Amino acid sequence: QKEVEQDPGPLSVPEGAIVSLNCTYSNSAFQYFMWYRQYSRKGPELLMYTYSSGNKEDGRFTAQVDKSSKYISLFIRDSQPSDSATYLCAMSEGNTGGFKTIFGAGTRLFVKA
Amino acid sequence: EAGVTQSPTHLIKTRGQQATLRCSPISGHTSVYWYQQALGLGLQFLLWYDEGEERNRGNFPPRFSGRQFPNYSSELNVNALELEDSALYLCASSLAVLGTDTQYFGPGTRLTVL
Repeated sequence: QKEVEQDPGPLSVPEGAIVSLNCTYSNSAFQYFMWYRQYSRKGPELLMYTYSSGNKEDGRFTAQVDKSSKYISLFIRDSQPSDSATYLCAMSEGNTGGFKTIFGAGTRLFVKA
Repeated sequence: EAGVTQSPTHLIKTRGQQATLRCSPISGHTSVYWYQQALGLGLQFLLWYDEGEERNRGNFPPRFSGRQFPNYSSELNVNALELEDSALYLCASSLAVLGTDTQYFGPGTRLTVL
C-alpha cells in the first residue's frame, strides 16, 4: 500500500464548476499537508499549506484535512480553464528537511471553457 | 526575485553514460532537494542538501549522488544510466528554518536515456 493515494484522473469539468480533489494516506504521523499545482512542462508550485486538521481558505481554493479519516481535500470554486493542471497532494511528519515529504501521484484536471 | 533555476532543460544520454544536472536555489535559501518524477508516478524524494552536507536520502541506489557548493547551488550526478532513469528531475529549495520549510520548485530537467 502506498503511503499516499491520489486518483490520477483525468477529471474534466465545465468552467464555473466546483472541483473536489482528494488524497488518502496511511501514516497517522503526518502533520503537514500541502497542495501543489503543476502545469505541463513546469515544476510544481505550492498552492496551500496546512498544519494538522481543519480548513484553510485562500481565494477560490479551500484545503481540508481530516486526520481522523486520514483524508485531505482541495476544493476549487468557480473553476477556470487556467486551473487546468495536475494537482499534487503532499504531506510530511515534520516541517524540516529531516522529514521526507511524500507526494501523491497527482490528479490531472481539465476545465472546459 | 529569481526562482529556482535548473540546467539543462533537456538531456539525452545512452545507457551506461553519466548525467550531471544542476540547480541554483532561490537567493537566501540554504536547502536543496532533488526529486525524480517518472511518467505516471508521483515525485520520489532523492536527496536533501543543507549547508553543503547531504542530510537525507531517498530509496535510490548509490549511483545517484550529488553535492552542494558553497554558494548553495547543487549538482545531481547519475552514473551508469539505465533506461528507467528516464524522468523529469526536479530541484526544490527552502529556507530550512524551523516552521517555514516550504519547498519552491524549479522547472526541472527532462532526462531521456536511450
